[in-house]
Amino acid sequence: DIQMTQSPSSLSASVGDRVTITCRASQSISSYLNWYQHKPGKAPKVLIYAASSLQSGVPSRFSGSGSGTEFTLTISSLQPEDFATYYCQQTYRTLRTFGQGTKVEIK
Amino acid sequence: EVQLVESGGGLVQPGRSLRLSCAASGFTFDDYAMHWVRQAPGKGLECVSGISWNSGTIGYADSVKGRFTISRDNAKNSLYLQMNSLRAEDTAFYYCAREASYGGEPLFDYWGQGSLVTVSS
Repeated sequence: DIQMTQSPSSLSASVGDRVTITCRASQSISSYLNWYQHKPGKAPKVLIYAASSLQSGVPSRFSGSGSGTEFTLTISSLQPEDFATYYCQQTYRTLRTFGQGTKVEIK
Repeated sequence: EVQLVESGGGLVQPGRSLRLSCAASGFTFDDYAMHWVRQAPGKGLECVSGISWNSGTIGYADSVKGRFTISRDNAKNSLYLQMNSLRAEDTAFYYCAREASYGGEPLFDYWGQGSLVTVSS
């Protein structure tokens, strides 16, 4: 399996803050990397696909970058509805592994 | 409307078996790869297994390899997960997810509501 490692595992931030989450793959995955937002009781929602493409309907404050083994999700100005857990996912191999998640909490 | 409905979860003793089903509707089932994803209490998402549209390509997480078997019946619009030799650490909500292709890039665009599997004596 390709291992995906996110950092940090959790963070506390205030509304308006810039937030950056990092995801590292155990081997090169080109740009086969998605980012999801997950809130309790709801299905995960795709924010970014192919490392940097914004999914339709997702606010432009979300952005993604990276290729190979290092990837970043950035929220330019954190909004109240953004408090959730974020996961990266590689789609390079048939078994689409996720990172362990980053919980974004209110400071 | 796309719908994925899991069933078959429940309480089972360690070492026993369980079969999960996912009934799909609202889309052409055999156009899509499908996956099983689980979330243990207080833990993150874990992709357990995936299967291509024609069952030609299958993958398993190391944690379930040799114990779980994924399959699909395109005539019945259904996805399955046969779980054998269950362990306490398999306790989780199990979700089926549809994999779509956006410009050739795969992503999970629809998820079921989940089926709880509890492995305990």
